[in-house]
Amino acid sequence: AQTVTQSQPEMSVQEAETVTLSCTYDTSENNYYLFWYKQPPSRQMILVIRQEAYKQQNATENRFSVNFQKAAKSFSLKISDSQLGDTAMYFCAFMKQDNNNDMRFGAGTRLTVKP
Amino acid sequence: NAGVTQTPKFQVLKTGQSMTLQCAQDMNHEYMSWYRQDPGMGLRLIHYSVGAGITDQGEVPNGYNVSRSTTEDFPLRLLSAAPSQTSVYFCASRVGRGIYEQYFGPGTRLTVT
Repeated sequence: AQTVTQSQPEMSVQEAETVTLSCTYDTSENNYYLFWYKQPPSRQMILVIRQEAYKQQNATENRFSVNFQKAAKSFSLKISDSQLGDTAMYFCAFMKQDNNNDMRFGAGTRLTVKP
Repeated sequence: NAGVTQTPKFQVLKTGQSMTLQCAQDMNHEYMSWYRQDPGMGLRLIHYSVGAGITDQGEVPNGYNVSRSTTEDFPLRLLSAAPSQTSVYFCASRVGRGIYEQYFGPGTRLTVT
């Protein structure tokens, strides 16, 4: 079974600074997808960024980018120019490329952006 | 589009009671899932469906039943609630095979006393 590990339960960053959240995963699959989801206090799960394992180029979405290291099974999220609205729980998630719908999540990292 | 909707938002049950958590989506998505979120843990998959009439178990299916009679609806039934089922429940949907982005509902906070 696939497992996803987020080793940083809590992190903080000053507004406008850059922060990196870590994620590692364990799988024997070659084709899969990785995701970062944001969960603000409203509880809504919001997709931040997605990476296809077959793509070597790291995904970017505005201030959010990933460092995808397939051989090391690592998938970190970098948030640049942090904003107060980035304060939230961040979850790393893994899904095999198959016909099932089994998405595995890490335990999450609570990020606080300080003014 | 309303997206993925869940009712109720909050629910308190006594041990042994049964209830159904409702989930609906208006995006014509083929795949739907139910997750639970416990403190200090990520979301865990309970059951999922890859189309009307097709369901399968996820990581933590015990104590829950599902059915999928229409594309839009995917209710989750608790047959005999237990305190261990106290959690926040999320429903999610995605377009279908080959499209992996999931859309989540707002969640239902369930407390079993």
